[in-house]
Amino acid sequence: AQTVTQSQPEMSVQEAETVTLSCTYDTSESNYYLFWYKQPPSRQMILVIRQEAYKQQNATENRFSVNFQKAAKSFSLKISDSQLGDTAMYFCALNGGGSNYKLTFGKGTLLTVNP
Amino acid sequence: DAGVTQSPTHLIKTRGQQVTLRCSPKSGHDTVSWYQQALGQGPQFIFQYYEEEERQRGNFPDRFSGHQFPNYSSELNVNALLLGDSALYLCASSLDPGGRGSPLHFGNGTRLTVT
Repeated sequence: AQTVTQSQPEMSVQEAETVTLSCTYDTSESNYYLFWYKQPPSRQMILVIRQEAYKQQNATENRFSVNFQKAAKSFSLKISDSQLGDTAMYFCALNGGGSNYKLTFGKGTLLTVNP
Repeated sequence: DAGVTQSPTHLIKTRGQQVTLRCSPKSGHDTVSWYQQALGQGPQFIFQYYEEEERQRGNFPDRFSGHQFPNYSSELNVNALLLGDSALYLCASSLDPGGRGSPLHFGNGTRLTVT
């Protein structure tokens, strides 16, 4: 079974500052994929960043970067220079590899960026 | 380039009724997945369709069924509705070259309320 845990139900940050969202996961597979998705009030889930487990280099996408610690099964998301538009629910998700096509999501972290 | 489109946007049904939700994938995508998102929770995988076949199913009862058409669009059917089926139903599409790491593109969802 694959599991994803997000231990921070809510977080807040001031505009232009940096914030880190935590995620831990579990899978028995050695090759898998991790994702961060953002869900603003408009409801549409938007991909923020993707990490392949066999790649040691941490993924980055503009202001978004991850800290992937494979041995610790940790996958945190860092948002730099936070903007008001970053206010959303953030979900960590795992595709556990093997014969598994589904994404397993965490419960989410509600991030509020304050002006 | 049209993204994933879902219809209807909102739906109110009575317990015991049946409902059909529809999804058109992003242009060029051939794989459709359905997720149920209860209020305040992360999405839960219902099933995935590829080449008009159900490729993988999550932990949902047989009341939940689906279909994929030759043009890759998909339907989700739920029979004998229960109050607990009230949720946001998300459709996601991807391009599958056999890749489990293919990012999912989500629609805006259908909000189903069962009374």
